[in-house]
Amino acid sequence: DGGITQSPKYLFRKEGQNVTLSCEQNLNHDAMYWYRQDPGQGLRLIYYSQIVNDFQKGDIAEGYSVSREKKESFPLTVTSAQKNPTAFYLCASRTGGSPQETQYFGPGTRLLVL
Amino acid sequence: LAKTTQPISMDSYEGQEVNITCSHNNIATNDYITWYQQFPSQGPRFIIQGYKTKVTNEVASLFIPADRKSSTLSLPRVSLSDTAVYYCLVGSSGNTGKLIFGQGTTLQVKP
Repeated sequence: DGGITQSPKYLFRKEGQNVTLSCEQNLNHDAMYWYRQDPGQGLRLIYYSQIVNDFQKGDIAEGYSVSREKKESFPLTVTSAQKNPTAFYLCASRTGGSPQETQYFGPGTRLLVL
Repeated sequence: LAKTTQPISMDSYEGQEVNITCSHNNIATNDYITWYQQFPSQGPRFIIQGYKTKVTNEVASLFIPADRKSSTLSLPRVSLSDTAVYYCLVGSSGNTGKLIFGQGTTLQVKP
């Protein structure tokens, strides 16, 4: 059963704490993306990676970090520097070929601050 | 990346055809137009994509005029389960696949 999995579904963060959101795909896609969605808003790009061991900042990268050590995994760490982390986080992937290749999204992780 | 403009919300009734129009005046020559659907607390799902004229699949049609400055997503005979947010996206920043999401159109289907 191919697809993108994100865990956990809900995550609680305490003040000053770093938390890591997991994203795994078994679609053999080269490119992976992290988006943040606030209530009633569209998605905003945090980081993206087009190939293993390489990643680029998106529009709102401050307070976040990523790694891409394996093709199938692209974890996102929300650091204590992110002052307003409460949001819905979505991971996506695509084959990374031509520009019209569509992105496939995971089910999302909702992050809440205690 | 071309900016898109869509209506914030639309209402419809079950069984009706719904047309959602998106404006993208600054679309580039090699940009494609893609529509996604999103249900609450779920990731967006690809609906349809096109470059020009008309594209049809099992769930929707996409109409693109010759100047490509707008596009219309057509959902035939909607049901309550089509209540969702619909996003129109244009372009992908070269080969990065970077997508720019607007606020989308919230479609409410009533019985």
